[in-house]
Amino acid sequence: QKEVEQDPGPLSVPEGAIVSLNCTYSNSAFQYFMWYRQYSRKGPELLMYTYSSGNKEDGRFTAQVDKSSKYISLFIRDSQPSDSATYLCAMTGVYNFNKFYFGSGTKLNVKP
Amino acid sequence: AAGVIQSPRHLIKEKRETATLKCYPIPRHDTVYWYQQGPGQDPQFLISFYEKMQSDKGSIPDRFSAQQFSDYHSELNMSSLELGDSALYFCASSQGGQGDTIYFGEGSWLTVV
Repeated sequence: QKEVEQDPGPLSVPEGAIVSLNCTYSNSAFQYFMWYRQYSRKGPELLMYTYSSGNKEDGRFTAQVDKSSKYISLFIRDSQPSDSATYLCAMTGVYNFNKFYFGSGTKLNVKP
Repeated sequence: AAGVIQSPRHLIKEKRETATLKCYPIPRHDTVYWYQQGPGQDPQFLISFYEKMQSDKGSIPDRFSAQQFSDYHSELNMSSLELGDSALYFCASSQGGQGDTIYFGEGSWLTVV
């Protein structure tokens, strides 16, 4: 079993929809959580970064962490065709913090 | 803001040849990571360096080696290339402290023919 599980999709939604992307993890030591967006053949781009539990909002993006359930989410409001990409979650812990664990990525397609 | 710089962006090699990829981390970042991403795959961790010393090792083949130099740039050397080595190779860097995150370069696309 992988340390981080993520539904690979693809997820297809109409423009303007609210998108929910999720990851679950097994290691309770994870404290720092990241979401990356990756366009085809491009490097992953850091979207959101959160520490411990709670919500963080940045424009149309909201990252949510529920440590008790070992579950993190990324919400995209008013989704746009330009949001079509693969979204990767990543996390690391307090100890061995130079080691990052990635989900397998969810491919999102926002249809005009 | 300065980002992680990788070179070359694309290269084509024949089987059994050798390739070298270079990575220049974000200024003041002392930790470098190498990832391999095949088509439709998530990035697979290969190896990382902290302060010029290997800090972690993932699924890096024995045919590959890497090092980090005194100016913190890193090179990934791949020998006896196989068709299956064709992939996008990412370098990422971080400040190496607790709570820091990693930033990726645009990747080097290696095609082995």
